[in-house]
Amino acid sequence: NAGVTQTPKFQVLKTGQSMTLQCAQDMNHNSMYWYRQDPGMGLRLIYYSASEGTTDKGEVPNGYNVSRLNKREFSLRLESAAPSQTSVYFCASSGPSGSSNEQFFGPGTRLTVL
Amino acid sequence: GENVEQHPSTLSVQEGDSAVIKCTYSDSASNYFPWYKQELGKRPQLIIDIRSNVGEKKDQRIAVTLNKTAKHFSLHITETQPEDSAVYFCAAVLNAGNMLTFGGGTRLMVKP
Repeated sequence: NAGVTQTPKFQVLKTGQSMTLQCAQDMNHNSMYWYRQDPGMGLRLIYYSASEGTTDKGEVPNGYNVSRLNKREFSLRLESAAPSQTSVYFCASSGPSGSSNEQFFGPGTRLTVL
Repeated sequence: GENVEQHPSTLSVQEGDSAVIKCTYSDSASNYFPWYKQELGKRPQLIIDIRSNVGEKKDQRIAVTLNKTAKHFSLHITETQPEDSAVYFCAAVLNAGNMLTFGGGTRLMVKP
């Protein structure tokens, strides 16, 4: 099993450009999450999807949109990138409701917005 | 929503000493408390977790304690080794939505 995978690993954007970060998991998990991690800080939840077909805002959703394409895939879109969105983005997934709450993280995408 | 505070932000210990990291949470309804270790440039990985119906859990050199009344929980690492050097994050989960709220992290440095 690959676990949680993310693409791309690195990306540089200019202010105003758009891009989509891709995430996929092969653990048959119901829930998926997007976090951002800024230098010296903890992870902050951007959006999450408790199950296929549902998405909800987290702590810092402004400037982002998400799509839960199917049970495996959860994408994060920046419509008009800003320097404040320079960060490392982690996708995570967790198992069915009632099972372990453990979240498994992907390797991250390091995004720089100039 | 939930708020998690973590202390200290940096911790330096000598190899073989113990290290303790403390976290407090705000929402008494939180019922799951994981600890993640993140090495430089890597993803966070779960090292131990505890549920609200348990006061203490141990796994080899790592232990976590939970005080529900005071709303705080702690990570204890004994006999530290250089490979324990990393950033450690605590988190709390409210059952609904399974959302993790993270503390700000502790950079642990174990000096040989």
